[in-house]
Amino acid sequence: GQNIDQPTEMTATEGAIVQINCTYQTSGFNGLFWYQQHAGEAPTFLSYNVLDGLEEKGRFSSFLSRSKGYSYLLLKELQMKDSASYLCAALAGNTGKLIFGQGTTLQVKP
Amino acid sequence: DADVTQTPRNRITKTGKRIMLECSQTKGHDRMYWYRQDPGLGLRLIYYSFDVKDINKGEISDGYSVSRQAQAKFSLSLESAIPNQTALYFCATSDPTTQPYNEQFFGPGTRLTVL
Repeated sequence: GQNIDQPTEMTATEGAIVQINCTYQTSGFNGLFWYQQHAGEAPTFLSYNVLDGLEEKGRFSSFLSRSKGYSYLLLKELQMKDSASYLCAALAGNTGKLIFGQGTTLQVKP
Repeated sequence: DADVTQTPRNRITKTGKRIMLECSQTKGHDRMYWYRQDPGLGLRLIYYSFDVKDINKGEISDGYSVSRQAQAKFSLSLESAIPNQTALYFCATSDPTTQPYNEQFFGPGTRLTVL
């Protein structure tokens, strides 16, 4: 089957660090994407992991453990503009199909 | 700039009406997708197409149909709209040959309300 789980909501303070977790069970797993989506807008690409380990891109980092079916997105030095939904999506085999989690709504408070 | 566009951006219609949502892209991608997004349910795949002659059902295709008129155009139709099809609809494209492989690029979305 296909299943992606992530927390529904998180709250953090401006300037802090927050980690958003994602667990997945996906047939033919072939990579893990993270997207950011502001309210009413299109999702935009943040990161992609296909091998185990950490990928760092500025204030954002993403980690993958294929053996544990687990990923996280780490946001450092939080800014108010980081308030958004963060979507975890697993790539299913070579189909190009992404299986999306429900999204985690992050609220950054002053 | 290469882009994914959707028309209309907002639509209000009545139960039983036929509705078409259109998607165009200038990215030159072969793969195109239609999703709907509902609060608390994330993005769910309705249909996807890998080229003009290859169209596939996604997880929630009932009540929807699609047409791939050209590489750049992929339309979604609701044959007889019902209120539970009220949602935010996104079109997306991808290219399996460039890294990160299969990254999907999303259009701005169409907010559809069925009364």
